[in-house]
Amino acid sequence: NAGVTQTPKFQVLKTGQSMTLQCAQDMNHNSMYWYRQDPGMGLRLIYYSASEGTTDKGEVPNGYNVSRLNKREFSLRLESAAPSQTSVYFCAGDRGRTDTQYFGPGTRLTVL
Amino acid sequence: KQEVTQIPAALSVPEGENLVLNCSFTDSAIYNLQWFRQDPGKGLTSLLLIQSSQREQTSGRLNASLDKSSGRSTLYIAASQPGDSATYLCAFVMDSSYKLIFGSGTRLLVRP
Repeated sequence: NAGVTQTPKFQVLKTGQSMTLQCAQDMNHNSMYWYRQDPGMGLRLIYYSASEGTTDKGEVPNGYNVSRLNKREFSLRLESAAPSQTSVYFCAGDRGRTDTQYFGPGTRLTVL
Repeated sequence: KQEVTQIPAALSVPEGENLVLNCSFTDSAIYNLQWFRQDPGKGLTSLLLIQSSQREQTSGRLNASLDKSSGRSTLYIAASQPGDSATYLCAFVMDSSYKLIFGSGTRLLVRP
């Protein structure tokens, strides 16, 4: 089992460029999540998908879009990157409310 | 709005010491609580999950407790080791949701 995987591990973008962060899990998770982690701000939820075919906004959704491609995959897209989106992005998943969340290794994004 | 506070923000102890990390919250309508560990540059690893009907959970040298009436959770680490050095985060799922709300973490250093 690979668990929760994320690609890429590192990325540098210029302001205005677009990119998609990929997340996949082989743990049969129903729900999947995207967080960003910034110094002094902790982890904040960007978007989540409670089940295949559904997505909802979290605490900080502006500037992002998501796609739950199938049960295994949940992608996060930055359409026009801004320096304020420089952060570490984590994908996570779980099988439901009573289950622990499992996190991927993170993507370190720098926007110049 | 749920507010989560972790005290202390940083802690340095000699190897072998028993220690307690604290997490306090303002809204007692909690569905469950998780404690996570994060190593530098890595993702989060779940340590313990406590359902709201439980008072504590134990795993090896770790014991986590939950007191909803006082708005507190503690993580007890027995006989600390240098390998325990990491950031420890508490997180809650509220009754009305299934999204995790994170504290800002306690950075622990165990000195040999």
